[in-house]
Formats: sequence, structure tokens, C-alpha cells
Amino acid sequence: DVKVTQSSRYLVKRTGEKVFLECVQDMDHENMFWYRQDPGLGLRLIYFSYDVKMKEKGDIPEGYSVSREKKERFSLILESASTNQTSMYLCASSPQVGWYEQYFGPGTRLTVT
Amino acid sequence: GDSVTQMEGPVTLSEEAFLTINCTYTATGYPSLFWYVQYPGEGLQLLLKATKADDKGSNKGFEATYRKETTSFHLEKGSVQVSDSAVYFCALRWSNSGYALNFGKGTSLLVTP
Repeated sequence: DVKVTQSSRYLVKRTGEKVFLECVQDMDHENMFWYRQDPGLGLRLIYFSYDVKMKEKGDIPEGYSVSREKKERFSLILESASTNQTSMYLCASSPQVGWYEQYFGPGTRLTVT
Repeated sequence: GDSVTQMEGPVTLSEEAFLTINCTYTATGYPSLFWYVQYPGEGLQLLLKATKADDKGSNKGFEATYRKETTSFHLEKGSVQVSDSAVYFCALRWSNSGYALNFGKGTSLLVTP
């Protein structure tokens, strides 16, 4: 069965902290994605990766960075968390180029105070 | 650029009512179209998809037909159940684009007994 896991379901951090959100998939997928989900805005793509050590900016990369050292793991990093980064963060993965379906993790609800 | 527009919610229906959630898209070329569903507290799951014009996607009693002439992919179900209460997202991926999906803002559905 397809599985995408995220390190935390809920996270509370203070303004200015460095925050790591981890995502792991066990399907040997090449592509991995980070989205944020906000009411009334839907899902917006932050970053994606199509191979180990490869990354591409999405629609809203400002204030975020990513790391993909191993194929199964894709990390989202908030270098200095701010209150406007309070959101639901969703990780997804998909197989090779040309495969359209994405598989999502359960999400991490991050609150920055 | 490519985009998806969905009807705004929330939509409230009685059990066994007929459901339609409208989705229209703007895209160059011939995108693939998707409906994803997000149940409370969970990540997104693929509900159905259609990869070319006139295709009909179906799953769990839900259907959507890819209409190129009206650039639409409306979601329908003949008789909704309380368990269908969720947020529904329309999404597209242009076949020659990058790797990510473009999502609509989501439509919340509440089905009452």
C-alpha cells in the first residue's frame, strides 16, 4: 500500500525558530512535493524535487528551503519562522515524469506564535 | 497560466440528494484533470481522473466528464451519504508542463442525515 508519512501532525513553534518538517515515502518515487494549504486559497506549491539533490521552486518559495539527500526523504525548512507561516503543510510524491497521480501524507498543522 | 476555478462552498445537502460541484479550467494544450478529496483530519486522496477529452472518470459513485468544448470537469454524484462530507479539490496537470498539479481552492461539502 502506498505510504507517505510526515514527522508531526501538529507543531507549535516560536517566531524566529528554525523549523524542520520531514516527509518520507516508501514507494521509491522520484518526485516529491511540498504544499501549504490555507482556507480560501487551496493548495499552493512551495517546492518540489524530481531527483535526489535536485529541487525546483514552486509558486511561493519565499521563506522556505528544502533538502533531499535520500530518495525517500524530503525536508521542508523554515529558516526563521514567522506568524504568516502558520498553516497546514502537505507533502506528496509521485513516480516518474509523465505519471500524474500524486500521493499525499496526512499533513502537519504548524502554528507559529 | 494554467488555472482551475471551482464553485465556492460550503455546500450543504441532505442525505440522498444529488451533488454537483462545478470546475472549469484555463490551460493551453490538453491537460489531465483530477478530483481529489480530503476527509476531516486527513491528507488528499485521488478520487477520479480523466486524461483526455470526453473521458469520464468514476469512483465510489462519483463521476466527472472531461468537456473540452466548455473547459469543464464537473463532479457529480446521484445520492450523497453523510460519509461523503469532505473538501473536494479540482486539479489539472498540463501534459507538457512540469511535475506539479494546479489545484482549485476546494469546495467543502456537508451532508446531513
